[in-house]
Amino acid sequence: AQSVAQPEDQVNVAEGNPLTVKCTYSVSGNPYLFWYVQYPNRGLQFLLKYITGDNLVKGSYGFEAEFNKSQTSFHLKKPSALVSDSALYFCAVSYPGGYNKLIFGAGTRLAVHP
Amino acid sequence: DSGVTQTPKHLITATGQRVTLRCSPRSGDLSVYWYQQSLDQGLQFLIQYYNGEERAKGNILERFSAQQFPDLHSELNLSSLELGDSALYFCASSGSHPLAGPSDTQYFGPGTRLTVL
Repeated sequence: AQSVAQPEDQVNVAEGNPLTVKCTYSVSGNPYLFWYVQYPNRGLQFLLKYITGDNLVKGSYGFEAEFNKSQTSFHLKKPSALVSDSALYFCAVSYPGGYNKLIFGAGTRLAVHP
Repeated sequence: DSGVTQTPKHLITATGQRVTLRCSPRSGDLSVYWYQQSLDQGLQFLIQYYNGEERAKGNILERFSAQQFPDLHSELNLSSLELGDSALYFCASSGSHPLAGPSDTQYFGPGTRLTVL
């Protein structure tokens, strides 16, 4: 079955430090990978996606993600965290034959401390 | 602002009742998706419409139904509501043809929070 795993419920990081939010996936065929962020009482905002090509994808607000096919991972990164980055982050995957539905991970809460 | 609008923002109702959630996609988008976000199930795909036709079904209960109208707005109907239906319901839209591949970005609305008492 197709699935996405976000192994950490919460990630804590100090402001100014680099951050990583982990994501691994399991799909048949080539995956299309997405990161979304959810702020309190808001919808999901698209951050970035991987379709094909360069394994390092750059997105909104200084975020980037690295696709690693051998490790079936798509970790979200940012070189210097801001307090305003504190939110709930979701990794999602779609795949050929799955129409366009997104399969989401359980989410990781990022807390950036001043 | 994603350009996807959903009404109402909040809905409080009683068990056994029926409600309708409304979604307007981004201008030009032909596909509409409905997702449910709950504490125990996480974010789950319910159903997809493309240009008025149902294209894919996920974990959608038989008590739930949806449709997409000629002006491309969509409605999700939830009937015989149970306490467990309390959740945040998201609508998303994209411009993709359903057979063109799943790489299109889906843009999400702000959601409708449903509380069943």
